[in-house]
Amino acid sequence: NAGVTQTPKFQVLKTGQSMTLQCAQDMNHEYMSWYRQDPGMGLRLIHYSVGAGITDQGEVPNGYNVSRSTTEDFPLRLLSAAPSQTSVYFCASSYSNPNNEQFFGPGTRLTVL
Amino acid sequence: AQSVAQPEDQVNVAEGNPLTVKCTYSVSGNPYLFWYVQYPNRGLQFLLKYITGDNLVKGSYGFEAEFNKSQTSFHLKKPSALVSDSALYFCAVRDNLGGSYIPTFGRGTSLIVHP
Repeated sequence: NAGVTQTPKFQVLKTGQSMTLQCAQDMNHEYMSWYRQDPGMGLRLIHYSVGAGITDQGEVPNGYNVSRSTTEDFPLRLLSAAPSQTSVYFCASSYSNPNNEQFFGPGTRLTVL
Repeated sequence: AQSVAQPEDQVNVAEGNPLTVKCTYSVSGNPYLFWYVQYPNRGLQFLLKYITGDNLVKGSYGFEAEFNKSQTSFHLKKPSALVSDSALYFCAVRDNLGGSYIPTFGRGTSLIVHP
């Protein structure tokens, strides 16, 4: 099992550019989620999905879009990058049973100039 | 609603001494509680969880955590700290009521173990 994979590992964007962060898991997990991690802020939930075709907003969804067309993939789209979106982004997945832990990807470090 | 607090941004301990990283939570129903560790430039790794049963939960790398329902706490402990335990530790909670699909994370506690 590859677990949760994320690409790219690093990305530099200019303000206004768009891009997609990729996330995939091979554990047949129903739940997937995107977090951003900023110094002193911990992990903040951006969007999550409870299954293919179903997504919902988290704590900080503005400026981001998601879709879940397959169980395996959960891409995060930045529509028009802003410096405030400079962060480290983590994708996570888990089974739907609430007592199951999450598995995290290695992260994408994004810098917006 | 579910929430979790880690009251300490940083914990310093000497190698060989016991360590405690604190976590308190709030839920409407019964809690599912988790601890994760993050080493520099890595994703979070699961350490241990409390679901039900024994209040003392044992996990990876010699860590354990004590669930205290009356104090709504789930503190992470290790009897003898290692320098290699230095990392960022996150507590997370998920309520078994209220349709909480995704756990809520604390802000993290940086553990520094001095040689």
